[in-house]
Amino acid sequence: GENVEQHPSTLSVQEGDSAVIKCTYSDSASNYFPWYKQELGKRPQLIIDIRSNVGEKKDQRIAVTLNKTAKHFSLHITETQPEDSAVYFCAASMNTNAGKSTFGDGTTLTVKP
Amino acid sequence: NAGVTQTPKFQVLKTGQSMTLQCAQDMNHNSMYWYRQDPGMGLRLIYYSASEGTTDKGEVPNGYNVSRLNKREFSLRLESAAPSQTSVYFCASRRNRDGNQPQHFGDGTRLSIL
Repeated sequence: GENVEQHPSTLSVQEGDSAVIKCTYSDSASNYFPWYKQELGKRPQLIIDIRSNVGEKKDQRIAVTLNKTAKHFSLHITETQPEDSAVYFCAASMNTNAGKSTFGDGTTLTVKP
Repeated sequence: NAGVTQTPKFQVLKTGQSMTLQCAQDMNHNSMYWYRQDPGMGLRLIYYSASEGTTDKGEVPNGYNVSRLNKREFSLRLESAAPSQTSVYFCASRRNRDGNQPQHFGDGTRLSIL
């Protein structure tokens, strides 16, 4: 089955700096890659996603890049703010296999004021 | 629209007790999922229902059963709770079985087994 690895497991940055989180996947059939943000005690919420026919997608301070050949994708957060502090999860899924998603283990991002 | 609603929010059980976690969605989604989340780990799939009337095992199904009661509701049952099942349980739904759409999560059920 699909295997998703996420790095780093923890990341601490100064407010205003950029943060990058990377994920690799194993199954070349995966074609949908969402990123979820989970604040302490809350539900995971989608922040951005990318499909395999696109190499990059941006939404204000957040961007995601996808390299299908290397089977990795990354989340980029620019001009970080304290409210960006949370756990971020990447995931991979495909049209077949009943749409099951495989999640990375998460990255705890801390933005220091 | 409430989205995905889970009940209860918190529960403490004794080893060997049984209970059912409830999940309902009001988005007319076809696919529903149950995950568990343990500290330092991602979301692991317990069971899923690709469409009404079907259920299948996920990555960690042992000790659990599910029922897709109707299109809206998907329940998770622990028949004989064990301390290893202490976790946060999330229910999620997706519009259909195609994997290229986001999942919508409930607020979770925090379950402790003593």
